[in-house]
Amino acid sequence: GQQVMQIPQYQHVQEGEDFTTYCNSSTTLSNIQWYKQRPGGHPVFLIQLVKSGEVKKQKRLTFQFGEAKKNSSLHITATQTTDVGTYFCAGGPLEGGYQKVTFGTGTKLQVIP
Amino acid sequence: DSGVTQTPKHLITATGQRVTLRCSPRSGDLSVYWYQQSLDQGLQFLIQYYNGEERAKGNILERFSAQQFPDLHSELNLSSLELGDSALYFCASSPQGGRGRETQYFGPGTRLLVL
Repeated sequence: GQQVMQIPQYQHVQEGEDFTTYCNSSTTLSNIQWYKQRPGGHPVFLIQLVKSGEVKKQKRLTFQFGEAKKNSSLHITATQTTDVGTYFCAGGPLEGGYQKVTFGTGTKLQVIP
Repeated sequence: DSGVTQTPKHLITATGQRVTLRCSPRSGDLSVYWYQQSLDQGLQFLIQYYNGEERAKGNILERFSAQQFPDLHSELNLSSLELGDSALYFCASSPQGGRGRETQYFGPGTRLLVL
């Protein structure tokens, strides 16, 4: 079955440093979604990318979808303590108009003040 | 607040017991998903329902079962509980069960502790 891996599994950064997490799928994705789970919280949708090579920005967060639609990345510039949490990518193929989404393994970000 | 509700928030029980977790989707959403998240682990997809029917199955144990009722709320039943079943159980909902490229809206979760 489809596998979606994320690296790194854990990342500790000093506040103000940049951070990047990478998402790699074993199969071609129709789209990629990113979710953030704060400590003690539930996953919350951040953004969706659909087109090959697409890049989207949300303030200090930059999301990229690979040209082959099998990988994606999330880059945070100048991290803040509010960025702490686990970031999940999610995606899947679109078959018959329906999509079965697989969540990535997640990257847990710790920001040291 | 995602609009998805889950009860109870916390549940402590003993090995061998049976529990039921409840989820109410966002108003208008027809599909419910169940996930298991063990400590510091990812989201393991268990099962999905759409408008009362099972749509997809993930790594759900035979001791676990679920259903979606006509009012669209869903219940996840966990039986013959083992220590390893201790985890956070999330319910998520989406409007059309994955039609197109839908976002999933997660509930606050039920934290289950099996002693």
